[in-house]
This record gives sequence, structure tokens and C-alpha cells, in this order.
Amino acid sequence: AQSVSQHNHHVILSEAASLELGCNYSYGGTVNLFWYVQYPGQHLQLLLKYFSGDPLVKGIKGFEAEFIKSKFSFNLRKPSVQWSDTAEYFCAVNANSGYALNFGKGTSLLVTP
Amino acid sequence: EAGVAQSPRYKIIEKRQSVAFWCNPISGHATLYWYQQILGQGPKLLIQFQNNGVVDDSQLPKDRFSAERLKGVDSTLKIQPAKLEDSAVYLCASSLRGNTEAFFGQGTRLTVV
Repeated sequence: AQSVSQHNHHVILSEAASLELGCNYSYGGTVNLFWYVQYPGQHLQLLLKYFSGDPLVKGIKGFEAEFIKSKFSFNLRKPSVQWSDTAEYFCAVNANSGYALNFGKGTSLLVTP
Repeated sequence: EAGVAQSPRYKIIEKRQSVAFWCNPISGHATLYWYQQILGQGPKLLIQFQNNGVVDDSQLPKDRFSAERLKGVDSTLKIQPAKLEDSAVYLCASSLRGNTEAFFGQGTRLTVV
């Protein structure tokens, strides 16, 4: 069955620490990959996306993610987090055939001053 | 550019009552999605429309949930009768077409008591 797994459900970091959130998927065929963020009280927003090409993609606010096809992974990274990065982060995948996004369970990130 | 509009923002009903949610997607977006997000989980697709046709409703509990997208623009999602386990945030999203990034509304938080 198609699935998306996020390994860390709750992460607490101090400001300036580095961040890496894991995401693995189980899909056959070509996929599109996404990371969405939900800040407290706000709607889901796109952080970055991968459709094809360079497997290292850069998104907004200094985030980046690397697609490793052999590992079925799309991990999110940021070298130095800020308090304002406190949010819920969701990895999402869809098959490259017009179907809807399939989301992971999310990772709650708390950045402490 | 106006975003995805949803109403109401909050709704509290008693079990066995009915409720309806409304969504107005971004202008020109052919694809519309309804997701259910239970606390602590990622969004789960309920139904996907392409214009006014249904692409995927495999996870929609059809004995109590219904959705329509008349004229290929606005959409309504209805629950009748509601159960306690329907307490969740109902998210509407739209995209230019399937398998491109989706833009989300603020959601409707439903509490069934």
C-alpha cells in the first residue's frame, strides 16, 4: 500500500541548532514530493517541492530537502533554526498521475530561545 | 491572489445532527480536494474533484458524507448524521490540476458532542 512515514513526531531544538526531519515513502513509479508547514493558527503552506531534476531542492525560509530515490526518502533540512520555525511539518507525496497528496502524520517542531 | 476560502471556521454540533461546509477555491483551479485532519495526524483525503467530476472518493464514508462541486467552482461537504469520531478539521484545497502543488484554506474545525 502507498504510504508516507515521518520518523520524528516531536522535535525540540534550541535556536541555531541544525534540523533534519525524516520522510520515507512507499510508492511505485514516479512521484512528486512536498514539504508543507503549518504555523500556529495558520493554514498549511508549501515549503518546497520536488518534481524532477536536481534532487537537492531549496525552499522558502532557508529550508532544503534532498530526494534520494534509492532510499525512497525526502528529508527536510535547515542548518540553523529560529524560534519562528516552531510549527508542524508535513511530508506529502503524490503519484505523477493526477492523484491527490498523501500526507505523513507530521512532525511538531518546537524551537526554544 | 485570493486564497482558498472556507466557512464556517468553527462548528459545534451534537451527534446525529447534520452539518455542511463550504469551499471556494482559487480562481481557475480545476482540481479541488477535501481532507479530514484528526488531531495529531496528517490530512487524509476524503474526495478529489476535477472540475465538477469526482476523481477519487475511495476514502469518503459514503453512508454519512457527501460532497458536490456544482459548476466546477464552489464545493460543499456534508455530514449526516454526525458521529463523535467526525470531530476534526476539514480542509479544502485546490490546484491548477492534479499532481501539482495544492493550496489550502484555513479549514473548518468541527466538534461533535
